Amino acid sequence: DTEVTQTPKHLVMGMTNKKSLKCEQHMGHRAMYWYKQKAKKPPELMFVYSYEKLSINESVPSRFSPECPNSSLLNLHLHALQPEDSALYLCASRPIWGVANYGYTFGSGTRLTVV
Amino acid sequence: AQSVSQHNHHVILSEAASLELGCNYSYGGTVNLFWYVQYPGQHLQLLLKYFSGDPLVKGIKGFEAEFIKSKFSFNLRKPSVQWSDTAEYFCAVNAGANFGNEKLTFGTGTRLTIIP
Repeated sequence: DTEVTQTPKHLVMGMTNKKSLKCEQHMGHRAMYWYKQKAKKPPELMFVYSYEKLSINESVPSRFSPECPNSSLLNLHLHALQPEDSALYLCASRPIWGVANYGYTFGSGTRLTVV
Repeated sequence: AQSVSQHNHHVILSEAASLELGCNYSYGGTVNLFWYVQYPGQHLQLLLKYFSGDPLVKGIKGFEAEFIKSKFSFNLRKPSVQWSDTAEYFCAVNAGANFGNEKLTFGTGTRLTIIP
């Protein structure tokens, strides 16, 4: 299995809703990432997990709450989002020790619309 | 902190033309360099990457890139483009490290349109 799987592919949520995005990989990668991509813009890093611990938070608002319950799974919990949070949310993974020079594998993303 | 510049925002070429997309990065230390492609409505796909060794890197779909350290550049090339190459191309860099928590920084992207 050489993929990063993200669910759902599309999500529409109201500003008072609570929802979660899910990311899964079974490549044994121990670094996992959340990126946000607005239309016609490059992906922007949100969070990095290394060995299931949060190692980078790029000053993301608290209405986004990441969680890494195990080495294969990464969640992004959403609560009280704003319409400007509508974007494509991308998950990526990468190996760590001994194989530093590997590329990042990206999932196909969740397209989120906040209404 | 590292940064990436892609000066070509939109490139329009005819089929069979040669392609070169510019990428310049800013970082004082060792870097890893990547080119990703994003076809309309699809996810990011890795075209090629450079970590060390031969500065001329060959990737998938006939693409190649050359790392010129003195110019802080990593330009993408293809000798003859096809209509199917129409996509958004992103250059990306991360500071060379042996840890998983390094940051991958993307350039603003170049939209490539190939006219049949």
